[in-house]
Amino acid sequence: EAQVTQNPRYLITVTGKKLTVTCSQNMNHEYMSWYRQDPGLGLRQIYYSMNVEVTDKGDVPEGYKVSRKEKRNFPLILESPSPNQTSLYFCASSSGRRGYSEAFFGQGTRLTVV
Amino acid sequence: KQEVTQIPAALSVPEGENLVLNCSFTDSAIYNLQWFRQDPGKGLTSLLLIQSSQREQTSGRLNASLDKSSGRSTLYIAASQPGDSATYLCAVRGASGGSYIPTFGRGTSLIVHP
Repeated sequence: EAQVTQNPRYLITVTGKKLTVTCSQNMNHEYMSWYRQDPGLGLRQIYYSMNVEVTDKGDVPEGYKVSRKEKRNFPLILESPSPNQTSLYFCASSSGRRGYSEAFFGQGTRLTVV
Repeated sequence: KQEVTQIPAALSVPEGENLVLNCSFTDSAIYNLQWFRQDPGKGLTSLLLIQSSQREQTSGRLNASLDKSSGRSTLYIAASQPGDSATYLCAVRGASGGSYIPTFGRGTSLIVHP
């Protein structure tokens, strides 16, 4: 089954404690991206990757890091989380076939930073 | 930079009504447009994908149209039911650089009451 898998689904952490949210897709997609969703602000792009070792900033990259060492994985790293990073996070992937494929989304990770 | 707007932001209707949700985008150079449904605190469920060369797509009681030149899409929901209550998001996939990654509107929150 084609899917994007995020882990964990829920996470409560303390300010400053480094954490990683994993994202994996099994569709051999080139494009992967991370979004955060906040009430009233919708889904905003954090980082995206157009292929292995190719990453770029989205609209709200501050406080986040990503890496794309393998095609299937695109982890989101918070080196020193702060309360304003409390949010619902989504990972997405899509084919690089010039945009003609649909985007697939993970089930989301609800992060709370206290 | 692509911007996506959804109108109305919220809608409350009695069961049985036919509905139209609107999505507009500023850059008409797109590859596709995708409509999603999101239940509160949950992930995104893809409803319909319209390629830039298409005018509409249908799935059951849902019909989505696309007018690329005017930067508009509509999602038509026939004979609405309480189970249709959710937030509906449209996402546009552009034709260059970071816009390959879907850009979302803020959504229309729909309540269908019995």
